[in-house]
Amino acid sequence: KAGVTQTPRYLIKTRGQQVTLSCSPISGHRSVSWYQQTPGQGLQFLFEYFSETQRNKGNFPGRFSGRQFSNSRSEMNVSTLELGDSALYLCASSRTGAEQYFGPGTRLTVT
Amino acid sequence: KQEVTQIPAALSVPEGENLVLNCSFTDSAIYNLQWFRQDPGKGLTSLLLIQSSQREQTSGRLNASLDKSSGRSTLYIAASQPGDSATYLCAVHQGSSNTGKLIFGQGTTLQVKP
Repeated sequence: KAGVTQTPRYLIKTRGQQVTLSCSPISGHRSVSWYQQTPGQGLQFLFEYFSETQRNKGNFPGRFSGRQFSNSRSEMNVSTLELGDSALYLCASSRTGAEQYFGPGTRLTVT
Repeated sequence: KQEVTQIPAALSVPEGENLVLNCSFTDSAIYNLQWFRQDPGKGLTSLLLIQSSQREQTSGRLNASLDKSSGRSTLYIAASQPGDSATYLCAVHQGSSNTGKLIFGQGTTLQVKP
């Protein structure tokens, strides 16, 4: 069974630009969660989608948004990028939201 | 607000030693607790999941315990090997439902020396 895949794996963007990250969950998983990992703050929850609906949201500004498609694939968008948005962005999938399986992450660098 | 703490932040041991990693959480109303491993620059690999009603889970050389009342979990690694070198993270699901929001500790970075 294929694991969670994330594209692209690496991104370099300039301040003020926007970026879209993609996550394909494990087949049959309906829950997709997104996390931001930085050396200073560790792993922080961004949001969760379940059956195309946002079910949970973390404490991030509105510049961070997401969506989920009918095939459970999810995208995350960050608008008006700031230097502090440089991080490893991880998505995780789960059948119900309980046990989570993580993808390899997308390394975003904002210059 | 739930806070998860992992002690120590870093640990270095010789190969073959048994070791214990600690995780504590401030709110005992958790749905489950999950231990992960992260290699440098990589994603997280799930090691063990303990439901709130369980006391422990075992997988190979790994054993995780959970004491909800005291807000503690431990990950025991038997006969450590250099390949076990990685950062170990514990995370809790808050509340009574299985929604996909994990709260993570800062991790313990383990180095096993040959």
